[in-house]
Formats: sequence, structure tokens, C-alpha cells
Amino acid sequence: EIVLTQSPGTLSLSPGERATLSCRASQGVNTKYLGWFQQNPGQAPRLLIYGTSNRATGIPDRFSGSGSGTDFALTISRLEPEDFAVYYCQQYGSSLTFGGGTKVEIK
Amino acid sequence: QLVESGGGLVQPGGSLQLSCAASGFSLTTSAIHWVRQAPGKGPEWVGRIRSKAGNYAITYAASLRGRFTMSRDDSNNTAYLQMNSLKYDDTAVYYCTPQRAYGGNLAFDIWGQGTKVIVT
Repeated sequence: EIVLTQSPGTLSLSPGERATLSCRASQGVNTKYLGWFQQNPGQAPRLLIYGTSNRATGIPDRFSGSGSGTDFALTISRLEPEDFAVYYCQQYGSSLTFGGGTKVEIK
Repeated sequence: QLVESGGGLVQPGGSLQLSCAASGFSLTTSAIHWVRQAPGKGPEWVGRIRSKAGNYAITYAASLRGRFTMSRDDSNNTAYLQMNSLKYDDTAVYYCTPQRAYGGNLAFDIWGQGTKVIVT
């Protein structure tokens, strides 16, 4: 099973700042099967990015994804108030696995 | 819209059957994944049932094999998760999500609100 490790665990930033979230896999991941989710308390995960770098429908262009092999990243170019949430990376190979999450909090 | 239902309070050793019903789109051609999220934890994969084209093949997370059973009724656009011998650690919100593809890239872009299971 591929293990995804996200860092940092918590990111303290101010609105308008840039956020870079990291996701490292224990072995190579097919870029077509790597995604990123946003989750707010009491809500279901919301798909932001699929196939490493494709924005899901309705996702603003301040969100971007990149990476290959074992290292992937989610970048939020300028944080808006609604972006403060928990973010998870996800991969699907023989099983679906999620990272442990990065909480983006207001500084 | 995707609606999960069937959750509730259950004693250890008990059983529950969860449902995942779609409206406005068809689940028929999609593999359906079940994902759960324990309080304060990240999402955890439960397993997947493929479509008819995939012979309805089922894969479970290794830790859950033998206690949980997935099925689907394409005529009713619904998937099911039968959970037996429930343990305290099974307490979680359970979600279903269809596996979709855009240009060969897999996307889990539809989620229900989840159904809460509390083993107590």
C-alpha cells in the first residue's frame, strides 16, 4: 500500500499570502491518479485537483497542483478567507489512500 | 446528488447496512468507493465495487476484509455497504463516491453528505 505523507501538519498564514502544501508518496504514483481535497468541519471532502494538475469544476484558478513520481504539491496563490481549511492528497493504485492532512489556519 | 443513509447507533458486534443512492446521474458505469472518516481523523478507504463492465469485482481494505460486504443494484442506482461484527473503531462518517474519469485522469468529484455510524 502506498503511504502518503503530507507536510507541514499545520500552515499558519494570512489572507493574501501564498500557501504551498507538500505530499510525498512511499513509492511512485501515477500522475493520473493523484488528487487533492479540501475539507471544512462537518462537510464532505471537496475535490480541488485531479490528475495531479487539473482543477475540478468550479475550482478557482488560485489553486494549482504539480508534481511527479513521489513528490506532489498543492499551491494556493493568494489565500482567501474561505480557503482556511484542511487539505488532503489522495492516490489510487491498488487501493485508495489519503495523506494525513495539512490544516491551513489564519495567522 | 448522492445520498448516503442507514447509519445510526449500534452496539459492538452489531450490524448495519448503509445505502448510497444517486439521483440526477447514473452510477451504473462507475466503480463505487466507500470511504470513512473517524472523528478528528483523515479519510480512510473502505473498499471499491466495480461496474458490470468490471464484473462487479470488489476489493476491500485489508483491515476490514471479512466483516464488510459491498454490493450494488444498478436498476435502483444504489450501492450498499453491509457491516457486521461492528467494533468501536468503526465509529465514523461513511461516504460513498463514484470513480470518474476525465481525459484518462481519475476523479472523485461527487460525494454525499455522509452517514454517521456510532458504535457504543
